[in-house]
Amino acid sequence: GQNIDQPTEMTATEGAIVQINCTYQTSGFNGLFWYQQHAGEAPTFLSYNVLDGLEEKGRFSSFLSRSKGYSYLLLKELQMKDSASYLCAVRDLGGKIIFGKGTRLHILP
Amino acid sequence: GAGVSQTPSNKVTEKGKYVELRCDPISGHTALYWYRQSLGQGPEFLIYFQGTGAADDSGLPNDRFFAVRPEGSVSTLKIQRTERGDSAVYLCASSLSASGGPGGELFFGEGSRLTVL
Repeated sequence: GQNIDQPTEMTATEGAIVQINCTYQTSGFNGLFWYQQHAGEAPTFLSYNVLDGLEEKGRFSSFLSRSKGYSYLLLKELQMKDSASYLCAVRDLGGKIIFGKGTRLHILP
Repeated sequence: GAGVSQTPSNKVTEKGKYVELRCDPISGHTALYWYRQSLGQGPEFLIYFQGTGAADDSGLPNDRFFAVRPEGSVSTLKIQRTERGDSAVYLCASSLSASGGPGGELFFGEGSRLTVL
């Protein structure tokens, strides 16, 4: 089976850095995704990791350790518009993609 | 169209009725996924198609739920004898391929909000 855990809520300050962690268990791993979802909107793709290490894309970076079943999303220079839910998702070898419950990030001015 | 299109955007029905939700994926995307999402939760996997066939339907909650994709493009999610617990946003997503690698990310539609009274 598959299971994904991430914190329910986090709070950070505008201009700061925040790290959102995700741990997963899967019977066969074939990639990990991070998505952003604003309230009332559809999820939008942020990043993809399939090999160990850090992927950087502008203010957002994502890290993967397959041996630990662990990933994190790092958001730098936080802006108010970054207030959203962040979803960790894992694809198995059959192509099925499951999502965690999401982490609601609140940005304070 | 350029993105994933879902209709209807909103559906209100009575308990016991039959409902169909439609998804039109991005042209050329072979993989199509259905999820449902309740308030404050992540998307819950229902089923995914690779081409015309259901590659994994392990998330369908029971036999009241069924989905088809007869020509490998548009998909319809069908719910029979709706119950109040079926109320949720039903999300459809497509991707170039489900087999892995970059480019396999999901592109989501805006969802169909189903309310069962």
